[in-house]
Amino acid sequence: DAGITQSPRHKVTETGTPVTLRCHQTENHRYMYWYRQDPGHGLRLIHYSYGVKDTDKGEVSDGYSVSRSKTEDFLLTLESATSSQTSVYFCAISVQGGGNTEAFFGQGTRLTVV
Amino acid sequence: RKEVEQDPGPFNVPEGATVAFNCTYSNSASQSFFWYRQDCRKEPKLLMSVYSSGNEDGRFTAQLNRASQYISLLIRDSKLSDSATYLCVVTLSGNTPLVFGKGTRLSVIA
Repeated sequence: DAGITQSPRHKVTETGTPVTLRCHQTENHRYMYWYRQDPGHGLRLIHYSYGVKDTDKGEVSDGYSVSRSKTEDFLLTLESATSSQTSVYFCAISVQGGGNTEAFFGQGTRLTVV
Repeated sequence: RKEVEQDPGPFNVPEGATVAFNCTYSNSASQSFFWYRQDCRKEPKLLMSVYSSGNEDGRFTAQLNRASQYISLLIRDSKLSDSATYLCVVTLSGNTPLVFGKGTRLSVIA
């Protein structure tokens, strides 16, 4: 499973509250990603990181911020949660080997904003 | 236009059938291509990479046509356990973020 864990796995929160999701990896991979998955949209990139304190925006970054203060942790924060941010959030890492790159995903976080 | 487009299905096929999924991508600079499989309420997992020469892994065959910007996945002798959503994925290169299609749902029926 490439040593990726997401926490929490499930969360229900109220509109307007801040929420932080954590992605933790154990193998010191440089690249980490946050995606959200919604019916009818598939997986969409929120933010990604290419090293400690190096991050960039993805396709649907509005309303989200990220931080990566150490290699193993990539945090996704919803500063003020809205109902439109109800989704399944996946963290991923990319691993290069044998001339190819493979992405491994965490098990996902189901977030409901009420 | 969506970067990666797939027929969402669902494809309902009997056990033992052969089924093919297609995918088109819009960015001609894309360099790497994959099929991922996602089971219900689970994370996506790599099924296979797709190479220009085509590649096969058991009952699964993937093809890439760069000129037409088209990727395909063929599953032969379908099993019940093949029921899942199949995601077409492209990336520019190396560690650039993966771009996903919306997925094609397959149900294999006994």
